[in-house]
Amino acid sequence: AQSVTQPDIHITVSEGASLELRCNYSYGATPYLFWYVQSPGQGLQLLLKYFSGDTLVQGIKGFEAEFKRSQSSFNLRKPSVHWSDAAEYFCAVGANTDKLIFGTGTRLQVFP
Amino acid sequence: NAGVTQTPKFRVLKTGQSMTLLCAQDMNHEYMYWYRQDPGMGLRLIHYSVGEGTTAKGEVPDGYNVSRLKKQNFLLGLESAAPSQTSVYFCASSRAARTFLSYNEQFFGPGTRLTVL
Repeated sequence: AQSVTQPDIHITVSEGASLELRCNYSYGATPYLFWYVQSPGQGLQLLLKYFSGDTLVQGIKGFEAEFKRSQSSFNLRKPSVHWSDAAEYFCAVGANTDKLIFGTGTRLQVFP
Repeated sequence: NAGVTQTPKFRVLKTGQSMTLLCAQDMNHEYMYWYRQDPGMGLRLIHYSVGEGTTAKGEVPDGYNVSRLKKQNFLLGLESAAPSQTSVYFCASSRAARTFLSYNEQFFGPGTRLTVL
């Protein structure tokens, strides 16, 4: 069965620093991978998605993610974090079903 | 377009009371989903629907019922609320989840915060 692991529960960075949020998945074939962001008190918004092709995908708000099949990873990156990026981030995998499997989330805190 | 809307935004229930959460979408999406979000557990799927008149169980369906009488609405019911159902509930919708070489994203509502005393 497919699963998603986000090993970091909470990450703190300074504004302007680079960011990498980790996501590992478990699935035999090429998965469909997503990153969502949840601002406080809000629903989830899609940042980016990967289906096939170029393993580096660009998303909204300056985020990007890289699919690495050999490591079963889909890490989210941003070169320079802004205070408004403080939120909770969810990785999700969609495989051969009609359902997405979400990770447990990583909460990002940004210090000025 | 309003996207996905949820009613109510907040609710406090006593143990044993019943209530219905309403989800509405104006994007003509086929698929709709109900999730609950609890600290440290991410989003867990309660029930979902792949079309009007259809429903299916998700990961944590016990204690909940759903109905999809109209394509644009997906109702989540709690017949006898329990403190364990205190959570934030999210509704989402999408076009058919999987298409050839693609997987459609889910669009989320703002959530309903439910407290059961």
